[in-house]
Amino acid sequence: EDQVTQSPEALRLQEGESSSLNCSYTVSGLRGLFWYRQDPGKGPEFLFTLYSAGEEKEKERLKATLTKKESFLHITAPKPEDSATYLCAVQDLGFQKLVFGTGTRLLVSP
Amino acid sequence: DTAVSQTPKYLVTQMGNDKSIKCEQNLGHDTMYWYKQDSKKFLKIMFSYNNKELIINETVPNRFSPKSPDKAHLNLHINSLELGDSAVYFCASSPYPLAGGTDTQYFGPGTRLTVL
Repeated sequence: EDQVTQSPEALRLQEGESSSLNCSYTVSGLRGLFWYRQDPGKGPEFLFTLYSAGEEKEKERLKATLTKKESFLHITAPKPEDSATYLCAVQDLGFQKLVFGTGTRLLVSP
Repeated sequence: DTAVSQTPKYLVTQMGNDKSIKCEQNLGHDTMYWYKQDSKKFLKIMFSYNNKELIINETVPNRFSPKSPDKAHLNLHINSLELGDSAVYFCASSPYPLAGGTDTQYFGPGTRLTVL
């Protein structure tokens, strides 16, 4: 069965302090790996889709990378508005559904 | 413009009652989903419909029944509500049916259900 594990569970950073979030996954065949951002009381907001190992995507201070076993979400010089829960999900070749990890709660202090 | 909308946003009810949650998307997508997010923030798929046809039905109690009157709407009806049904329910939609290629799912704002 597909599995997604995210670490750390929670991360506290100072503004400007770069770091990375990890998403390890097990899937029989990867159709896509997704990163979402979720703010309190809101639905997940799509950030990136990665399709194959070696692929990278960037958006503002965020950069997502993918290997055959894991994905990283790098946050460069974060700002307080980057505070949110970041969710990773995989989609198997044979299925339409997304299998989510439990997320990383990021808090960026000014 | 709201892409995926859900009503109501909050729902508080007594055990044993029957309730419905409605979802609408104006993105022109073919596929819609219901996810449940528990108290630990874990999101899990419940159902998926493609053009009004059920294509994913995870291990969900029979008390939960999805209905899709058309491809822009997917409703969730819950009978005989139990305490354990308390959670946030998210609707999502995506543009592709069960064809090759990855599709991105877009989520609604969620409905927080509290069963007393």
